[in-house]
This record gives sequence, C-alpha cells and structure tokens, in this order.
Amino acid sequence: GAVVSQHPSWVICKSGTSVKIECRSLDFQATTMFWYRQFPKQSLMLMATSNEGSKATYEQGVEKDKFLINHASLTLSTLTVTSAHPEDSSFYICSAKSLDRGRNEQFFGPGTRLTVL
Amino acid sequence: LAKTTQPISMDSYEGQEVNITCSHNNIATNDYITWYQQFPSQGPRFIIQGYKTKVTNEVASLFIPADRKSSTLSLPRVSLSDTAVYYCLVGVYSGNTPLVFGKGTRLSVIA
Repeated sequence: GAVVSQHPSWVICKSGTSVKIECRSLDFQATTMFWYRQFPKQSLMLMATSNEGSKATYEQGVEKDKFLINHASLTLSTLTVTSAHPEDSSFYICSAKSLDRGRNEQFFGPGTRLTVL
Repeated sequence: LAKTTQPISMDSYEGQEVNITCSHNNIATNDYITWYQQFPSQGPRFIIQGYKTKVTNEVASLFIPADRKSSTLSLPRVSLSDTAVYYCLVGVYSGNTPLVFGKGTRLSVIA
C-alpha cells in the first residue's frame, strides 16, 4: 500500500521557537496533501490543504502566518509552527492522496507529537 | 459533506462480532461511505469503503441499506488489538476534497 511518513515523530521545544514537520509520500506522488491537528481524546481537525506549487488553503480559524505550509514537490509537504506556544502542543497528522489511485482514499502519516514547554 | 452520527463508545469481549452503525441521513447521490481506524498516537488507517449493499474485505464488512441513510461496520471476532477509534466518513472525496472527521466511536475490547 501507499506509505506516508512524517518527521520527526515527536518533538519538544521551548515556547517562542519554531518547529518544522515534514510529510513525505514514499512510494507515490501526491499533488495534494492535508494537515490535521488532534488534541487528546478529540477527533482530527483539518487545518489546511496543501497543493504542490501553490499556496495552501487554510481552514477557518487557522492562522496562516503561524502555521506555514510549503509543498515544494509531489512527495513533500512541510508544516512549520512559528513562535510555538504551549497551546500549540498537539498531535499533527498529514495525509496524501495518490494521483494514480482510482479509489477515494487518503493515506495518513503516523503523526508528529509536538510538546511546547 | 454529509453529517454523520455514531455511538461515542462501545465495549465488546474478545471473540465477539462488533457492529458499529453510522447514521448519515443527508447522504448525497455521489457520496461514498468510508471507515477509518485510529490507534492512540497513530494516524488513521483505511478499513473499508462502499457505495451500496455489502462490501467485504479481509478486515471487515460494510453493510449499506437501500436508502443509504445509514451504514454498519462489522468486525468479526474482535481481539484486544482491535481496541481503537473508528470513524465513519461520507463524501465524494475527489480531487482536492479533504476527509472531514466526526467524533468517531471508541471501541474497547475486553479479555
């Protein structure tokens, strides 16, 4: 099956610093990737849609200047949490949709646990 | 995207069949029904997808009545490792359409 990886799997940082999370589709190309955030005991919340070679589309209430998304290639999207604060601590998950899959299926990464001290 | 309603939680003993029902009264003609499974601290994993009647794979079965206003995910003979949150999603999901998750059903399998 299609594999999506994320790096790092977990990160701890100090308040005010920036953290970059990478999302890679390992064995397929994806023009579109999605970023989600999940707080404990809650469902996944869509943050933004990342399109290769163009600006990301952010969901209402998500600050685009705080959560910078770059989709530089068909296999890589990055999410940078700028000036992170403790309330940004969460589980960040990306997903990708394959270009060559007929089924309406998205493949999810394993997630990145961010803890801001 | 159609709104979905699922039970918040379910308990089951090992070896039993578990049926999780999802209501989606305003499902559209072109919508598919997709179920995902999520273990703690992991990304969701695709389980099964269907449009009508019955779909079966090596993991589960999906039953969809003729009116398509609900669907039932059936997990045969669950084990402790099936303890997870199960999400029912309804939509077309073509092109750039993202998956929108509801609250899901937290299944606890007991020995």
